Amino acid sequence: ILNVEQSPQSLHVQEGDSTNFTCSFPSSNFYALHWYRWETAKSPEALFVMTLNGDEKKKGRISATLNTKEGYSYLYIKGSQPEDSATYLCASVSGGSYIPTFGRGTSLIVHP
Amino acid sequence: DAGVIQSPRHEVTEMGQEVTLRCKPISGHDYLFWYRQTMMRGLELLIYFNNNVPIDDSGMPEDRFSAKMPNASFSTLKIQPSEPRDSAVYFCASSLTGGPLYGYTFGSGTRLTVV
Repeated sequence: ILNVEQSPQSLHVQEGDSTNFTCSFPSSNFYALHWYRWETAKSPEALFVMTLNGDEKKKGRISATLNTKEGYSYLYIKGSQPEDSATYLCASVSGGSYIPTFGRGTSLIVHP
Repeated sequence: DAGVIQSPRHEVTEMGQEVTLRCKPISGHDYLFWYRQTMMRGLELLIYFNNNVPIDDSGMPEDRFSAKMPNASFSTLKIQPSEPRDSAVYFCASSLTGGPLYGYTFGSGTRLTVV
């Protein structure tokens, strides 16, 4: 069974602050790591899919890095805006099951 | 494509009643997943199908839960009889075979309240 841990559980920042949070996952038999953005009352939307150690992905002000050897990924948001407020989920996929196991998410609230 | 479509969006039912949740995956996607989201357990996988065949239902909490996928464009999750602890948001998601490499598309969820 994979244990995917995310920290912190919640985060409050001011508009303009840059922030980051962590996803930890078992490194053995790693296949892929997903990040999703989940706004209240909506469905999770895929942000990034990463597979290679050292991968870096970027979409606008949001970027992510991946370390498969030590089993962690960071999500960075530069210059947070109120519209960035959401829960950010990561999901790890192992080579054994090919099915994602989700973390509990980091709830981000950006105050104007 | 309209994305993954779930119905109803909200369901309130009395304990003991049968509840049926519905999902229409994205056309051409050959994997379909049912997830349940609760405060206590987060997003947990209940069951998934590949080409309409149930592959792993080990996440289904108990015999009161059942899921079917009679064709490639429709799946149901049924709870009979429902209990208050079944109250949660139920998500359906679909993907192509390369889902792990491309990500999964989620529906808007069904918020179930059992009173």
